[in-house]
Amino acid sequence: QSALTQPASVSGSPGQSITISCTGTSSDVGGYNYVSWYQQHPGKAPKLMIYEVSNRPSGVSNRFSGSKSGNTASLTISGLQAEDEADYYCSSYTSSSTLAVVFGGGTKLTVL
Amino acid sequence: EVQLVESGGGLVQPGGSLRLSCAASGFTFSSYEMNWVRQAPGKGLEWVSYISSSGSTIYYADSVKGRFTISRDNAKNSLYLQMNSLRAEDTAVYYCAREVDVWGSYDYWGQGTLVTVSS
Repeated sequence: QSALTQPASVSGSPGQSITISCTGTSSDVGGYNYVSWYQQHPGKAPKLMIYEVSNRPSGVSNRFSGSKSGNTASLTISGLQAEDEADYYCSSYTSSSTLAVVFGGGTKLTVL
Repeated sequence: EVQLVESGGGLVQPGGSLRLSCAASGFTFSSYEMNWVRQAPGKGLEWVSYISSSGSTIYYADSVKGRFTISRDNAKNSLYLQMNSLRAEDTAVYYCAREVDVWGSYDYWGQGTLVTVSS
């Protein structure tokens, strides 16, 4: 069982906006601004899309944005494009004694 | 260009050992914290281990604590993961990943190396 909860799948049409949620606890998402989001295409390594809740690395499209409210972080993709179809994972620092970083279970984004 | 290249994966029997390597290039390896992250076939990402830039601070996920050992050789620009007492549930693609000064933020990943634990 994953420590962070994400929807298994989301979908949207080209040009639309979608939001993927990532729910944790006060020991991880809610307690720290160390939430990251990754995009992974089949057979490829993950790619960092958002770090520290809402910061975009250089080269990542501004169609990708992140936010957080309480114990839930969100990734929003606006102006959906076919190449956005991928798996998306959130991660967070955790103060749990058993882990330092926890990932969500992943969300499959389908562009209709 | 930043590159991380893993090697050392393969098929191993339960209870066996394997040593993964990650060769880094294109950046000052000794200045960055590094991690191992794994992904079981068809499953999500799982953080495995962290090592500070100097190697003085190390963390492990509970699932591998006592069986896996992370290390680095800054002179050789290399990261390692010694895996002992391997179990079927350790079967996964293992990625090395560079950390960007922020917990859980990995800006560069290797292509991964597959470890299969099976008799």
